[in-house]
Amino acid sequence: QKEVEQDPGPLSVPEGAIVSLNCTYSNSAFQYFMWYRQYSRKGPELLMYTYSSGNKEDGRFTAQVDKSSKYISLFIRDSQPSDSATYLCAMTRTGFQKLVFGTGTRLLVSP
Amino acid sequence: NAGVMQNPRHLVRRRGQEARLRCSPMKGHSHVYWYRQLPEEGLKFMVYLQKENIIDESGMPKERFSAEFPKEGPSILRIQQVVRGDSAAYFCASSPGSRERNEQFFGPGTRLTVL
Repeated sequence: QKEVEQDPGPLSVPEGAIVSLNCTYSNSAFQYFMWYRQYSRKGPELLMYTYSSGNKEDGRFTAQVDKSSKYISLFIRDSQPSDSATYLCAMTRTGFQKLVFGTGTRLLVSP
Repeated sequence: NAGVMQNPRHLVRRRGQEARLRCSPMKGHSHVYWYRQLPEEGLKFMVYLQKENIIDESGMPKERFSAEFPKEGPSILRIQQVVRGDSAAYFCASSPGSRERNEQFFGPGTRLTVL
């Protein structure tokens, strides 16, 4: 079993839709959670960074962490075609620097 | 404020040759990480370095791979005697190194193709 599970998609939505992306994990020691966006043949771009449980909002993006369920989510409101990319979740433990990534979910937003 | 820089962006090597990948961290960042991304897979941690020190190399293959981050100059990931299975995208990331916050910012990657 992988430490971090993520549905590879693709997830296809129309422009303006609310998108929900999710990851589950097995290691209860993970405390820091991140979402990265990666365009084709580019490097990952950090979107959201959260510590422990709770919500964090930044513009159209909201990250949620539910440690009791070992489940994290990224919501994108008013999705745009420019949001079409692969979204990677990543996490790590306190005192550790090594990030453990999900395999990524490919999102396609059609105009 | 320049981001993480990697070069070359594309590298082609024949089996048995050496590959050298370079990474310059963001200004003010003293911690460097290397990750490998195979097709259809997520990024896999390889090594974590600070200036002149390897902190965690738990993701590095035991043979042919080495990394350094000298006092002056970029971090280098070196792959000796490359094989076809080494073909992948190699990403470098950097962070300021705070224990409280360890956001890692990634470079554009080096795409290695082994013929």
